[in-house]
Amino acid sequence: GDSVTQMEGPVTLSEEAFLTINCTYTATGYPSLFWYVQYPGEGLQLLLKATKADDKGSNKGFEATYRKETTSFHLEKGSVQVSDSAVYFCALIPGYSTLTFGKGTMLLVSP
Amino acid sequence: GAGVSQSPSNKVTEKGKDVELRCDPISGHTALYWYRQSLGQGLEFLIYFQGNSAPDKSGLPSDRFSAERTGGSVSTLTIQRTQQEDSAVYLCASSLGWDRGNEQYFGPGTRLTVT
Repeated sequence: GDSVTQMEGPVTLSEEAFLTINCTYTATGYPSLFWYVQYPGEGLQLLLKATKADDKGSNKGFEATYRKETTSFHLEKGSVQVSDSAVYFCALIPGYSTLTFGKGTMLLVSP
Repeated sequence: GAGVSQSPSNKVTEKGKDVELRCDPISGHTALYWYRQSLGQGLEFLIYFQGNSAPDKSGLPSDRFSAERTGGSVSTLTIQRTQQEDSAVYLCASSLGWDRGNEQYFGPGTRLTVT
């Protein structure tokens, strides 16, 4: 079946450090890929998405590129802020189905 | 505009009682989803409604769980004879449908605690 694998956290960084959160997937066909973010005490928010190979999703300084050859969708940000501290979920939809989520990666950014 | 709303925000119930959780999707969204978020299992899909089609119930963990969507809008998730392992945050999401990008927008969730 479809699955998403994320790096385990927590990821602990200092402010202005470079962030990478790895995400790889297994799916039939050509899924759409998403990153969702959950800030402390809040609900899930869509951060960015990509719907086909080589697409780059971006939002709020975060980027992720849909790599079909490596079945990956790694999340990156050049300079993290304390306010980026949250749990990040990689997810996919294989067409007309529902979201399959990774287990989430907690990011902690210190001043 | 208004986002997805859920009620109650918190629910504490005794083992064996029935509970109902409510979701109001974004106006105009034809698809509605229920997920469960728990420490041990992460985010799990429960059930999916798309327009007037029969719902996809493949994620419901047992026959104690059911959901309905009235008038293509509001949805209620019912858990009968609750068990302690049902304790989790229940999330509702809505979207314009799989053929229109399928971006799902989530509500704040209902935290269910079964004592």
